Amino acid sequence: EVQLVESGGGLVQPGGSLRLSCAASEFTFSRYAMNWVRQIPAKGLEWVAKIKQDGSEMNYVDSVKGRFTISRDNAKNSLYLHMSSLRAEDTAIYYCVSSLGTYWGQGTLVTVSS
Amino acid sequence: DVVMTQSPLSLPVTLGQPASISCRSSQSLVYSDGNTFLSWFQQRPGQSPRRLIYQVSKRDSGVPDRFSGSGSGTDFTLKISRVEAEDVGVYYCMQGTHWPTFGQGTKVEIK
Repeated sequence: EVQLVESGGGLVQPGGSLRLSCAASEFTFSRYAMNWVRQIPAKGLEWVAKIKQDGSEMNYVDSVKGRFTISRDNAKNSLYLHMSSLRAEDTAIYYCVSSLGTYWGQGTLVTVSS
Repeated sequence: DVVMTQSPLSLPVTLGQPASISCRSSQSLVYSDGNTFLSWFQQRPGQSPRRLIYQVSKRDSGVPDRFSGSGSGTDFTLKISRVEAEDVGVYYCMQGTHWPTFGQGTKVEIK
C-alpha cells in the first residue's frame, strides 16, 4: 500500500521558518511529480507548490513565491518544503500529494502564531 | 487563476437516493493535448482527501461504480447513483489543466 508520511509541522512565530518532509514508501517515487497542498482547518484546499519528477522545475502559488522552496531527493524517496518568512495566513494542514492527487499523506499541521 | 465554482455547497440526501454536484470553471479545462484535467475528491470527516474521479469521468481504483463523472469544457458533474452512509463528507472538484485550483467544496449529509 502506498504511504506518504509528512513530518515537521508545529508552532512557529510569524517571520520564522520551518521545513516539512514527506517520506514515500511502496511507491515508485521518482516517476511522479510531487506537490504540497494545504488546507486551513475546516476550510478549502490550496495547491501550494509542485516539482517535476527529476526536480528540474518547481512552481508555486503566488502567495508563497519567494518564501517557500520545494525540493526532493529521489534516492531517499523524500519530498521537502522549506518555508520561511511565515505569516499567520500560512497556518494550515500541509499535505504531500502525488501527481494530480493520486495519493495523499495524512497531513502535518503548521501553526503560525506569537 | 482559474476559479472553480461548485453548487450546491450543502446537499442533504436520503439514503438510497441519487445525488448530483455541479462544478463550473472560469476557463476551458481542455489542455493542449486534448485531455481535460478535471478531478473529484472526497474528504470524509477527519481524513485526507481521496481522489474518486480523474480526467472528468475515469474512476480511480477501488472507487464504487455508484460514483460517476461527466461534463466537458467548463461544466462538470459528479453523480452518486444511490447514496450510502459512508458517502458523507465534503466533495471537491479540482482542475489541473492550469495552475491547480479547487472548488469550495460541497458538504453531503444524510437527511
